[in-house]
Amino acid sequence: GEDVEQSLFLSVREGDSSVINCTYTDSSSTYLYWYKQEPGAGLQLLTYIFSNMDMKQDQRLTVLLNKKDKHLSLRIADTQTGDSAIYFCAESRDYKLSFGAGTTVTVRA
Amino acid sequence: GAGVSQTPSNKVTEKGKYVELRCDPISGHTALYWYRQSLGQGPEFLIYFQGTGAADDSGLPNDRFFAVRPEGSVSTLKIQRTERGDSAVYLCASSSPGYEQYFGPGTRLTVT
Repeated sequence: GEDVEQSLFLSVREGDSSVINCTYTDSSSTYLYWYKQEPGAGLQLLTYIFSNMDMKQDQRLTVLLNKKDKHLSLRIADTQTGDSAIYFCAESRDYKLSFGAGTTVTVRA
Repeated sequence: GAGVSQTPSNKVTEKGKYVELRCDPISGHTALYWYRQSLGQGPEFLIYFQGTGAADDSGLPNDRFFAVRPEGSVSTLKIQRTERGDSAVYLCASSSPGYEQYFGPGTRLTVT
């Protein structure tokens, strides 16, 4: 099974906040990442958080990290139609990234 | 600046044939990575180069897969005797060592 787990689907109304959750297994991971993938495209790095932080904010994006529970979340404020994509959580083990299966976010009008 | 580029964007080949997939990393990035993404899954690590040498090839599925990076820049992933199960999107990423990885658009390989 996956070392990194995410819920598969999220539907959100335009203008609302989206919250995407992720659990990981390796407590020694130094960084945790969020990538975005649009149809037919590669992965776009959205944001990342160092493992000794518990929150990071970057414009509309807020990352929360609960290291005790190995839980990571990405909140997107004021979700727009352009935010429709697959979002991947990844943990780093030295140089390797280990990804979840991705959460498909659909933004409805 | 230019991002990671990969060629071809799509490759269709017959079972048993040999294919080469190319990756041009971001200029100045000494670390280069190959991942494979199957339909509906997240990318899975294949191999990591630091400079010209493969520092970790533990993700290569079997000895039909091989990758090179002879001058420490462009890398080629080579697959011999392709099988239908090799069909996937092959992603390349580059980084400065210890820093975030930037991905290319991928090569979609279809083995018929």
